[in-house]
Amino acid sequence: LAKTTQPISMDSYEGQEVNITCSHNNIATNDYITWYQQFPSQGPRFIIQGYKTKVTNEVASLFIPADRKSSTLSLPRVSLSDTAVYYCLVGANSGGYQKVTFGIGTKLQVIP
Amino acid sequence: DAGVTQSPTHLIKTRGQQVTLRCSPKSGHDTVSWYQQALGQGPQFIFQYYEEEERQRGNFPDRFSGHQFPNYSSELNVNALLLGDSALYLCASSTGQQPSYYGYTFGSGTRLTVV
Repeated sequence: LAKTTQPISMDSYEGQEVNITCSHNNIATNDYITWYQQFPSQGPRFIIQGYKTKVTNEVASLFIPADRKSSTLSLPRVSLSDTAVYYCLVGANSGGYQKVTFGIGTKLQVIP
Repeated sequence: DAGVTQSPTHLIKTRGQQVTLRCSPKSGHDTVSWYQQALGQGPQFIFQYYEEEERQRGNFPDRFSGHQFPNYSSELNVNALLLGDSALYLCASSTGQQPSYYGYTFGSGTRLTVV
């Protein structure tokens, strides 16, 4: 499984756009990039997943450069409720038995 | 649409005891994975069940065992509890044989405290 590296923590003011970058130099050809959000004492929640270029949903955008060795999760106009830990995961997503491995994640603190 | 349900929500056990945690997957999901999350750490993969068999296992001792039932629900058993087993235990469900474009669905976990 490809190893991921992301900042341990980030602070942002309310209303700002937040970008969290994840490095995954050993990503394999069939690996997808997935981001999860976790609040204290809750299970992680799926945010977004992508393979290449840009993916956008109602919550976030995911930017993946051509070499796919990194990815950036973008949260537009964050609010206090976006304070959470964000995990970047890389792994195969072609069906079958999908072992998903988490790192330490990035603790985002949104400041009023 | 019910999500992943875990029980109990909290549990206190004594060292050396045994514990059983339960998980009901999201409707339509047939694969269950278990994770252990210590305070301040990311979730660590324990094992995954599909078609009532353990399909993958993380780096956990044999004290950790599981079971999946015909209705896809699952149990996690931990024997000979150690203080270090204190953690949040998370269950995640997914569809085993199809691409999981929407990722895993996690339950809220069981907080196990070993004293």
